[in-house]
Amino acid sequence: KNQVEQSPQSLIILEGKNCTLQCNYTVSPFSNLRWYKQDTGRGPVSLTIMTFSENTKSNGRYTATLDADTKQSSLHITASQLSDSASYICVVRGNTGTASKLTFGTGTRLQVTL
Amino acid sequence: SQTIHQWPATLVQPVGSPLSLECTVEGTSNPNLYWYRQAAGRGLQLLFYSVGIGQISSEVPQNLSASRPQDRQFILSSKKLLLSDSGFYLCAWSSGPRTGEAFFGQGTRLTVV
Repeated sequence: KNQVEQSPQSLIILEGKNCTLQCNYTVSPFSNLRWYKQDTGRGPVSLTIMTFSENTKSNGRYTATLDADTKQSSLHITASQLSDSASYICVVRGNTGTASKLTFGTGTRLQVTL
Repeated sequence: SQTIHQWPATLVQPVGSPLSLECTVEGTSNPNLYWYRQAAGRGLQLLFYSVGIGQISSEVPQNLSASRPQDRQFILSSKKLLLSDSGFYLCAWSSGPRTGEAFFGQGTRLTVV
């Protein structure tokens, strides 16, 4: 069964600090992995996409890594800001050849405080 | 540019009442359309997806149904709501089955009382 597990479930950090969110998946065959940011009561917005051949990709203060061998990804946030407070969702797309069904993680709820 | 509209933003409905949530996409043609539900503290669960007009696939057995009467219109319905239907419903579209990013609407917070 395709699954995506994220850790930690929630995280509280001080403004300016760094943090790393983890995503482990069992989706196979694998097409790509995206990290989404979801503000409370809003729809998720894509931060970055990782394909099989990519190991690291950055988007401003966000850096995602992918290890396709161990089926693990991480999202590193540098110099956190209050506006980073949100849920971060790892989403994996399989390569099935049909209308694809995304597999969503349950998300990590990040709170950045003063 | 492409945009997705979803309404209403919030809805409070009594048990047993009908439901109709609407989602429309602008700026693209023949999108793949999705309905997701997010229960409190849970991840997003795919309910329905559609690759074309009148083509609906259901992911989980439930009290809801979906329809796609037009290329860029996706409707989520129920004849009689249950308390367990409460949640945050998201409509999304993507440009292709494998590589397209999913773009989400702003969501509908449904509370069944």
